[in-house]
Amino acid sequence: NAGVTQTPKFQVLKTGQSMTLQCAQDMNHNSMYWYRQDPGMGLRLIYYSASEGTTDKGEVPNGYNVSRLNKREFSLRLESAAPSQTSVYFCASSRGPGSNQPQHFGDGTRLSIL
Amino acid sequence: GIQVEQSPPDLILQEGANSTLRCNFSDSVNNLQWFHQNPWGQLINLFYIPSGTKQNGRLSATTVATERYSLLYISSSQTTDSGVYFCAVPSSNTGKLIFGQGTTLQVKP
Repeated sequence: NAGVTQTPKFQVLKTGQSMTLQCAQDMNHNSMYWYRQDPGMGLRLIYYSASEGTTDKGEVPNGYNVSRLNKREFSLRLESAAPSQTSVYFCASSRGPGSNQPQHFGDGTRLSIL
Repeated sequence: GIQVEQSPPDLILQEGANSTLRCNFSDSVNNLQWFHQNPWGQLINLFYIPSGTKQNGRLSATTVATERYSLLYISSSQTTDSGVYFCAVPSSNTGKLIFGQGTTLQVKP
């Protein structure tokens, strides 16, 4: 049972390059989330998708776009990477708001932007 | 929005010692999660505990929702317990989690 799978695990980009972080879950969850974690800090929400076909901004959405491709997959795109986006990115999923069920996290993607 | 505060920020223990980590939150919540972030950066679900007490081996957690706090107990600590411990609560009916700043635990052999 894979749970939440993120790819790639590591990536180095140059300023201005673009890339897409992939996330897939196999738990038939409705809601999916993208967080970033910066050194010495907890996780902050970038974007989320409460259900298939919907996406909403979180606390720190600037510089990112997302796509809820289907119920299983939720991707995060950096159109023009900046050094301030160097971080560890986590994807998570849950049954949905109000379900009183925990969120499950992937192993993270470590992204460095030079 | 809801605020989450954890204490202490840092903790150093000798192997075999016990410890208590605290999580305070500023508003009523209907669930709370405790995570352990290991040295490899993985976030491990420890407990989902909206209220009451749960135990899993040497770890246990208690949430007193009416008083807006949760405690994580680690007994007979081991070096593998080292890492950062986070608590997190949902901010609203969207389900997105608000994380505390974490407690960094170092267990020395």
